[in-house]
Amino acid sequence: NAGVTQTPKFRILKIGQSMTLQCTQDMNHNYMYWYRQDPGMGLKLIYYSVGAGITDKGEVPNGYNVSRSTTEDFPLRLELAAPSQTSVYFCASIGVVGGPPHFGNGTRLTVT
Amino acid sequence: GESVGLHLPTLSVQEGDNSIINCAYSNSASDYFIWYKQESGKGPQFIIDIRSNMDKRQGQRVTVLLNKTVKHLSLQIAATQPGDSAVYFCAETPRRSQGNLIFGKGTKLSVKP
Repeated sequence: NAGVTQTPKFRILKIGQSMTLQCTQDMNHNYMYWYRQDPGMGLKLIYYSVGAGITDKGEVPNGYNVSRSTTEDFPLRLELAAPSQTSVYFCASIGVVGGPPHFGNGTRLTVT
Repeated sequence: GESVGLHLPTLSVQEGDNSIINCAYSNSASDYFIWYKQESGKGPQFIIDIRSNMDKRQGQRVTVLLNKTVKHLSLQIAATQPGDSAVYFCAETPRRSQGNLIFGKGTKLSVKP
């Protein structure tokens, strides 16, 4: 049982490049979330999903896209990377609402 | 790696002392609250949670207090150890929010041996 796994751990992108941040969980959790964390700040919600095939925007969705084709995977897509997207990205999941989300160890992204 | 504690309020305590970390939450409709610990280069790690129908909850060496009147949470760590050094975040979940968390800014706890 690996919990929430995120890949890659680090990535450097040039402005305008695209990439997909991978997140997978092996706990059969329905709810999954993407957060970003800027230096010295708390986490902010980008997108979330309440189950396969269902996604919705969080507080800061602009510049990102997500999909949820399976229960296990919840990839986050950056189509045109911008310096403002330099951040640490965390994926989280819970089985039912009302419990604490489990977090992955993050992907540190730098856009230059 | 880069510290997520840059520009954060810092609490410095002596090993063995008790620590109290405070948090003001924003949404009066929040009904579930969580404290997370974050070490450098890692994701938030669950410490303790509390629901809005409670005022206090205790775990191993940790206690969370909730004051709904002034929208305030606190985390008390007893007999603080060097391994407790980290950034601590409170998070709230508004009712009917599908589990989405609203995070506070965080406090960096530094334990002196």
